[in-house]
Amino acid sequence: GENVEQHPSTLSVQEGDSAVIKCTYSDSASNYFPWYKQELGKRPQLIIDIRSNVGEKKDQRIAVTLNKTAKHFSLHITETQPEDSAVYFCAASRGVLTGGGNKLTFGTGTQLKVEL
Amino acid sequence: NAGVTQTPKFQVLKTGQSMTLQCAQDMNHEYMSWYRQDPGMGLRLIHYSVGAGITDQGEVPNGYNVSRSTTEDFPLRLLSAAPSQTSVYFCASSNGGGNSPLHFGNGTRLTVT
Repeated sequence: GENVEQHPSTLSVQEGDSAVIKCTYSDSASNYFPWYKQELGKRPQLIIDIRSNVGEKKDQRIAVTLNKTAKHFSLHITETQPEDSAVYFCAASRGVLTGGGNKLTFGTGTQLKVEL
Repeated sequence: NAGVTQTPKFQVLKTGQSMTLQCAQDMNHEYMSWYRQDPGMGLRLIHYSVGAGITDQGEVPNGYNVSRSTTEDFPLRLLSAAPSQTSVYFCASSNGGGNSPLHFGNGTRLTVT
């Protein structure tokens, strides 16, 4: 099955700096790569996703890059703010299952702390 | 829409007890799944369903049963709780499209003593 590795496990940055979180995956058939943000005591929520036919996707201060050859993808957050502090999870899947839905394999998470 | 609703929010069980974690969604999503979240291990898939009457195992299915009799409900049953099942459990659903995000419930924090 799929294996997703995520680094670093903790990341501390100064407000206004950039943060980068990296993930690698093992299944070359994976083609869907979402990122989730989980605040303390809350549910995970999707912040951005990318499909394998795209190399980069941006949404305001957040961007994701994908290198299919190397089987890794990264989350970039620019101009970090205190409210960006949370745990971030990457995930991968082979795409839509017969009948629907994405069977996601998650990384182990990165605790991002944005310091004032 | 309430989205994905999980009950209870907290539960303490003794080893060997059984219980059912409830999950309901009101978005008419075909796909539903259960994950457990443990410190340092991310979210691991327990069971999933692509529609009423169809279920399948995920990465860590042992000790858990599921059924899907309706589109809305996807309960997770622990037949004989063990301390290793102490975790936070999340139910999630999506509408089945390739770009559809998972919508998570608020989670159930389970402690087995």
